[in-house]
Amino acid sequence: DQQVKQNSPSLSVQEGRISILNCDYTNSMFDYFLWYKKYPAEGPTFLISISSIKDKNEDGRFTVFLNKSAKHLSLHIVPSQPGDSAVYFCAASKISSGSARQLTFGSGTQLTVLP
Amino acid sequence: DSGATQTPKHLITATGQRVTLRCSPRSGDLSVYWYQQSLDQGLQFLIQYYNGEERAKGNILERFSAQQFPDLHSELNLSSLELGDSALYFCASSLRTGGVVDTQYFGPGTRLTVL
Repeated sequence: DQQVKQNSPSLSVQEGRISILNCDYTNSMFDYFLWYKKYPAEGPTFLISISSIKDKNEDGRFTVFLNKSAKHLSLHIVPSQPGDSAVYFCAASKISSGSARQLTFGSGTQLTVLP
Repeated sequence: DSGATQTPKHLITATGQRVTLRCSPRSGDLSVYWYQQSLDQGLQFLIQYYNGEERAKGNILERFSAQQFPDLHSELNLSSLELGDSALYFCASSLRTGGVVDTQYFGPGTRLTVL
């Protein structure tokens, strides 16, 4: 039962253009969403997050949009740079048993930015 | 920001064997999380410890166990290994736990290959 889905395994965009990575979730108990970036042979690194009480959060070239009614979020990267080429994971957070928070990850999207 | 530290980077072993993966959290972090990433899959949450105590359990098999020691480093023990246990195992750490959303800082992972 995949509660967080990234339906596009890969995405290629031209340098300077916009990259849009999508993520869908099914569990309405998720109240915080995060994007992580992963380079080969490294662990995931935190990129940007958004609380469920917001619909947009921006940090430099990165913007995350949340549509709660559609249970959908997206990450926009503008302008895209070759160094952005990596696997991007969407993650959703909710309080689990024992008041601890758990992250549920999507399967990732490989972004390739072409020079 | 640097993440948790993990050893070893690579581990090759045979079916039926037992291995131990080690994780040291970032300085000051009290929570440690373990994740498994199988081929083309997202990160699956296994277990979380906070200040030496188990706080949350995910999809962790009974053959797997973990603990967090007084110096806050953690070990993940995998026993009676099967071919399907071959995966990347990530450790992450964060400052707190509970209802607060904390950024998790990941280590580079241990690649386990079971032959």
